[in-house]
Amino acid sequence: EPEVTQTPSHQVTQMGQEVILRCVPISNHLYFYWYRQILGQKVEFLVSFYNNEISEKSEIFDDQFSVERPDGSNFTLKIRSTKLEDSAMYFCASSEFQETQYFGPGTRLLVL
Amino acid sequence: GENVEQHPSTLSVQEGDSAVIKCTYSDSASNYFPWYKQELGKRPQLIIDIRSNVGEKKDQRIAVTLNKTAKHFSLHITETQPEDSAVYFCAAILTSGTYKYIFGTGTRLKVLA
Repeated sequence: EPEVTQTPSHQVTQMGQEVILRCVPISNHLYFYWYRQILGQKVEFLVSFYNNEISEKSEIFDDQFSVERPDGSNFTLKIRSTKLEDSAMYFCASSEFQETQYFGPGTRLLVL
Repeated sequence: GENVEQHPSTLSVQEGDSAVIKCTYSDSASNYFPWYKQELGKRPQLIIDIRSNVGEKKDQRIAVTLNKTAKHFSLHITETQPEDSAVYFCAAILTSGTYKYIFGTGTRLKVLA
């Protein structure tokens, strides 16, 4: 069964550095998402992406963040100038339609 | 704004007993309600979902009920097993107007052998 994949599984970075989190959505899916989960808390929506543009973004998703689909398979989340509070698990998800979303295994980001 | 409340935050049951987790949503236009199971350090996995035109859905030991009038939906797990131990998240989405899931705060279920 096809699954969403994410790399890296863990990323440690220094405050102020830039990180790029990568995702490969399920191949026939058209909608892509990023969520984050701070340790012990609920999953929070960051951004959705459809037809090569952002469809919706949360207030968390400010100018520090950007997303890109650089080719036909990858979907990336870039975090510029990371802050301590960006430490979280970041999940990518994809869906064929605007309903059932399938989640990747996550990237655990630690900002020191 | 949209909000989903989930109760209880933790739940312990004896193996073989039933477990019930409840969620309440604020946006009456929400029309799709998935439930995810998340084991420690792993991805959220969809276990069951329900659409607003249905009142109940069952899949083996798992069932979900929806009360649109009261704006709440519940997950029912019967004959619980130790491998059901995980964090369960409910979510709501308005599929015609938005793309984002609004998640509940999660319920940590512990099934005691």
